[in-house]
Amino acid sequence: GNSVTQMEGPVTLSEEAFLTINCTYTATGYPSLFWYVQYPGEGLQLLLKATKADDKGSNKGFEATYRKETTSFHLEKGSVQVSDSAVYFCALLYGGSQGNLIFGKGTKLSVKP
Amino acid sequence: NAGVTQTPKFQVLKTGQSMTLQCAQDMNHEYMSWYRQDPGMGLRLIHYSVGAGITDQGEVPNGYNVSRSTTEDFPLRLLSAAPSQTSVYFCASRSTGFNTEAFFGQGTRLTVV
Repeated sequence: GNSVTQMEGPVTLSEEAFLTINCTYTATGYPSLFWYVQYPGEGLQLLLKATKADDKGSNKGFEATYRKETTSFHLEKGSVQVSDSAVYFCALLYGGSQGNLIFGKGTKLSVKP
Repeated sequence: NAGVTQTPKFQVLKTGQSMTLQCAQDMNHEYMSWYRQDPGMGLRLIHYSVGAGITDQGEVPNGYNVSRSTTEDFPLRLLSAAPSQTSVYFCASRSTGFNTEAFFGQGTRLTVV
């Protein structure tokens, strides 16, 4: 079946450190891939997405590249800020235009000043 | 636009009580869904709807009912609350074009005692 696996947290970094959160997926066909972010006390919001192999999604300094050969969609940021502290979810959309999102378990990031 | 609005934000129920979690969106989205978020489990799909009058089960539907009489509203009903239903519930909506962004409500934190 379809599934998403992302690295366990929590992840604690100092401000300006490099961030990588690993995400791999299992899916039939060619799903679209997403990263959502959840700030404390809030719902999820879209951070970035990629819809086909080799696409790179980017937003707010975060990037992720859709790697079909390794079935991965790792999230990276070159220099994190305290304001990036949140829970990050990798997700895939299967089933076409009426399909459902499947989420990974989430990775909590804490950035210390 | 208000986006996706969930009520209530917090609720405490006794085992065996029933209640309805409300979800409304003002973006004319065809697709709406309910997730529950539990520690270490990520988000799991409870029920979803691709349009008024159409609903279907997700990964964890037992103990929950839904209906979709209008495009705007998608209430989630707990028929007889159990402690295992203690969770944070999120409603989400999106249009049914390909690869569209899902918008989430702020969540309802439910405790069943």
